[in-house]
This record gives sequence, structure tokens and C-alpha cells, in this order.
Amino acid sequence: QQQVKQSPQSLIVQKGGISIINCAYENTAFDYFPWYQQFPGKGPALLIAIRPDVSEKKEGRFTISFNKSAKQFSLHIMDSQPGDSATYFCAASVSGGYQKVTFGTGTKLQVIP
Amino acid sequence: DADVTQTPRNRITKTGKRIMLECSQTKGHDRMYWYRQDPGLGLRLIYYSFDVKDINKGEISDGYSVSRQAQAKFSLSLESAIPNQTALYFCATSDSGVGTQYFGPGTRLLVL
Repeated sequence: QQQVKQSPQSLIVQKGGISIINCAYENTAFDYFPWYQQFPGKGPALLIAIRPDVSEKKEGRFTISFNKSAKQFSLHIMDSQPGDSATYFCAASVSGGYQKVTFGTGTKLQVIP
Repeated sequence: DADVTQTPRNRITKTGKRIMLECSQTKGHDRMYWYRQDPGLGLRLIYYSFDVKDINKGEISDGYSVSRQAQAKFSLSLESAIPNQTALYFCATSDSGVGTQYFGPGTRLLVL
């Protein structure tokens, strides 16, 4: 059962453009929403994360927007660069206790010069 | 992440063979996980362990088994490998806080 739906599956953006990846979740108990970045040949690594008590979190060119009522969150990459080309996974979990993380299916981003 | 290591990095095996993938970590985390990654399916949890005496099945545990030999070591075994177990396998750890996962570099497995 897919609890976190991610779109699009792939994305091509020109250098300097904005990359947007969307995720939707079903379980209202989720209270931690991280995004992971994976380069070819590497394991995923935490990029940025948000909790539902805020609607937006920004770290450099990366921003998470969170809509609790719609149960949706998105990653925005401003001024996208070729070095941002990677696969991005959204995820959700219930913090504390037995934490299992549910991952989205991933978005392969290609930033072209 | 050099704090989480996996061996081997690549493995080719034949149908019916038993193989073991190993994971070691120096992060001092109690919690360890095994995932498989398939194109279009993302990361799916196979098994997880919250301490040495705790082993739990994930969403796709059939055909797999695990062993938690120590706090720092968590092994995944395929008892009788089949071609649809061809995938990229990741080990991960987390602390007992917010749940951030720290992944190893992965093992690429091909079952012929």
C-alpha cells in the first residue's frame, strides 16, 4: 500500500530554472517529512526536512512547502544547477517510538545547461 | 556515507544460491534497516532492527532473512536467490531521535 505518492517520476529542467517535486500522504499521524537526495552510485542522503507545525522551510536554494490540510508537501529547487541532477525521494514518518520511514517512489531530476 | 559500509558492493549470483550482504556502522546508532531499490518503486523496507534483540519484518520480507550480530552489524541473507531479487540493496541506520536515516553506499545484486 503506497502511503506516500510522489510525482513526477522524472523531470528535466534548464539551468537556472525552478524544479518542483510533489508528494502526497495519507496517514495523518505522520509528523516528520524529510527529502533525500541520491547521486548515481551513492546511497540517499538527507537534504532537508520539515515538521507539520510550519508551512515552509528554506535552506539555501532548497525549499519545502507543506500543506497540512491537503496532506501534500513539495520540494522546490531554485536556480537549478547541473550538480543538482540526482534522484530525489520524499518520505514521511511518525517520530518517536517505532520509527519506520515510508518513502515516495523517487523523481529523477536532470538539469541541462 | 563512510560511517555505514556495505559489502560486497556488487554481486552476481545464480538462481538458488544463498548469499549474504553485510552492513557495518560506526555511528553508534541502535536502529538499522535493510531496503531494496527498484526503478519506479522507490525504497522498500525489507527488515529493521531497533536493537540487538529486536528484529522486525518490513513490507517485503519474503525470501529474505537477517541477523543482528552486534549493535554495529546487520546482515541480510537471501536463502535461495531468484531473478526478481535483482535490485540495489541499501543498509541504513538511525538514532532514536527524529528518525533521519543514514544510508550505506549500496550493494548491486544481479541474480541470473
